[in-house]
Amino acid sequence: GAGVSQTPSNKVTEKGKYVELRCDPISGHTALYWYRQSLGQGPEFLIYFQGTGAADDSGLPNDRFFAVRPEGSVSTLKIQRTERGDSAVYLCASSSRGVLGARYNEQFFGPGTRLTVL
Amino acid sequence: ELKVEQNPLFLSMQEGKNYTIYCNYSTTSDRLYWYRQDPGKSLESLFVLLSNGAVKQEGRLMASLDTKARLSTLHITAAVHDLSATYFCAVPMEYGNKLVFGAGTILRVKS
Repeated sequence: GAGVSQTPSNKVTEKGKYVELRCDPISGHTALYWYRQSLGQGPEFLIYFQGTGAADDSGLPNDRFFAVRPEGSVSTLKIQRTERGDSAVYLCASSSRGVLGARYNEQFFGPGTRLTVL
Repeated sequence: ELKVEQNPLFLSMQEGKNYTIYCNYSTTSDRLYWYRQDPGKSLESLFVLLSNGAVKQEGRLMASLDTKARLSTLHITAAVHDLSATYFCAVPMEYGNKLVFGAGTILRVKS
């Protein structure tokens, strides 16, 4: 079956511009996560959706970052007034509910979007 | 705040040798994940460890979890070049399952 897909795979933009990154999770997965991975580091959590709502956005670095998931499937991460420090690989992951809905199962990651801000 | 530490951060090994990567975490968790990442690629799930004492093996890799010690190990047996990659351990926060990752261990297996 299809895995998590992300578009674009690469995005080069200029400082100050607005960008949108898209994630299409595995069909049926109710949970969707965004992470950011800087060069030489592990992924860092940004935001998590349970269905359509953002259940935890504590990882968003500032108010330039925003994400939506209006129909509970595809999600878009939006970055306003991009800065050079935003350059990183943005990873999306999805997971299904665990048994009895108590916990979520393992997360499956997409290929990522490499964002470069010049 | 949950912190996850891996060591070593860089490991250069000869083919055929054995070695262990360690992952320590700072707060209680009953599960832990290991991922592999090749250069320029995304994360590939290797192991899901769901309980204290869990041990899983896949080929030359074996992972274990000790929740009381808050420690997981990834043991490499008779390394081969194809194992060269970066390995991450990740621990879920108690609620919501967001993952906290270690810094990663870069493994290079030399022929």
